[in-house]
Amino acid sequence: EAGVVQSPRYKIIEKKQPVAFWCNPISGHNTLYWYLQNLGQGPELLIRYENEEAVDDSQLPKDRFSAERLKGVDSTLKIQPAELGDSAVYLCASSLEPQGMKTQYFGPGTRLLVL
Amino acid sequence: AQKVTQAQTEISVVEKEDVTLDCVYETRDTTYYLFWYKQPPSGELVFLIRRNSFDEQNEISGRYSWNFQKSTSSFNFTITASQVVDSAVYFCALSESTSGSRLTFGEGTQLTVNP
Repeated sequence: EAGVVQSPRYKIIEKKQPVAFWCNPISGHNTLYWYLQNLGQGPELLIRYENEEAVDDSQLPKDRFSAERLKGVDSTLKIQPAELGDSAVYLCASSLEPQGMKTQYFGPGTRLLVL
Repeated sequence: AQKVTQAQTEISVVEKEDVTLDCVYETRDTTYYLFWYKQPPSGELVFLIRRNSFDEQNEISGRYSWNFQKSTSSFNFTITASQVVDSAVYFCALSESTSGSRLTFGEGTQLTVNP
């Protein structure tokens, strides 16, 4: 079974440019998560989707970040405009089990460098 | 609020040594879930184990074992006879039943196993 797929794996952009990350979850997983991981730290949740609905986006900086999961399968996370402090790894995860018991399976992440 | 503390930032051992990674958590919920993930240099978070708050039985899987003690709010991870391939960052994480499966991670422990 294929795992969580993310692309691109690496992205270098200049500040103020837009950038987008794509995630395809494990087949059949209805819950999708985007996490931000700064260097030397644990991941922090940005947004969680249950099917097409964003049910937890309290940590998403909505002035510059946006996300969508239009058909309840793959998802895109966008930053516009990017700032130097956005340099980090963006991780996507998915899960299947009922709420509260969810084991999250992670993709390889996208490493973003903003110059 | 939920919190996970991994006091050991870095651990270095010689191959075949046993090593224990500490994890202490804080939560007000009576129902919660604890996880360990491994993050090798490739960057992908690999799921290792999940325990729920009502199951304090220790678990062994090959060279890995986990000690869950509610009395001390700890969920420690031991690797027996460590190998070079065990070198990675290990994260402990907590999910409260009321948090909608949001994972709170510790800051991770960098384990280096030297030949």
